[in-house]
Amino acid sequence: GAGVSQSPRYKVTKRGQDVALRCDPISGHVSLYWYRQALGQGPEFLTYFNYEAQQDKSGLPNDRFSAERPEGSISTLTIQRTEQRDSAMYRCASSQDRTSGANVLTFGAGSRLTVL
Amino acid sequence: QQQVKQSPQSLIVQKGGISIINCAYENTAFDYFPWYQQFPGKGPALLIAIRPDVSEKKEGRFTISFNKSAKQFSLHIMDSQPGDSATYFCAASRKSDKLIFGTGTRLQVFP
Repeated sequence: GAGVSQSPRYKVTKRGQDVALRCDPISGHVSLYWYRQALGQGPEFLTYFNYEAQQDKSGLPNDRFSAERPEGSISTLTIQRTEQRDSAMYRCASSQDRTSGANVLTFGAGSRLTVL
Repeated sequence: QQQVKQSPQSLIVQKGGISIINCAYENTAFDYFPWYQQFPGKGPALLIAIRPDVSEKKEGRFTISFNKSAKQFSLHIMDSQPGDSATYFCAASRKSDKLIFGTGTRLQVFP
């Protein structure tokens, strides 16, 4: 697609439910990143992939959070047993080529998660 | 994870004025310093970026000044316009690794 597509745009769920957030990166982009952005704050790194390999998951808050990118394209961020503190905007970004050392991220519009 | 500190939190500038936003970093291994611009309801978008081998980079009305010894860099917006009103984030990364973002500066430019 022309840009990074995320779905759903809005998700309201009850505490304890599992949620899955989807990211469709720009076609051909090698790297895919997940960030979480609280209101009035900067994006906070969660995890990233090169192709299908998860390179760094150091930002995932706990083991309720997981991510996958099985075919090196679409990625899913899953949050199990959601808690109210998980409420935030979850942003996906992709980048084309990191070999130049200029990691230019293109962000999607985000998925706003509200846990009641 | 807070390795990039940004100030001020908010900034109000009159049209035609200069907007200045500052960032400080801790990790001397960082070698790429971009600024992202975010409008309400949108994701952040790359505005301008610099590497530590130069002290300044200019693109139109936007300039990054970089001070390696002080571990600081700043964004200057010359002739600020109402359309520049947005939230600005500095960021840093090491060898094409993940970007670490600052907390953001909300800029409002009044006519």
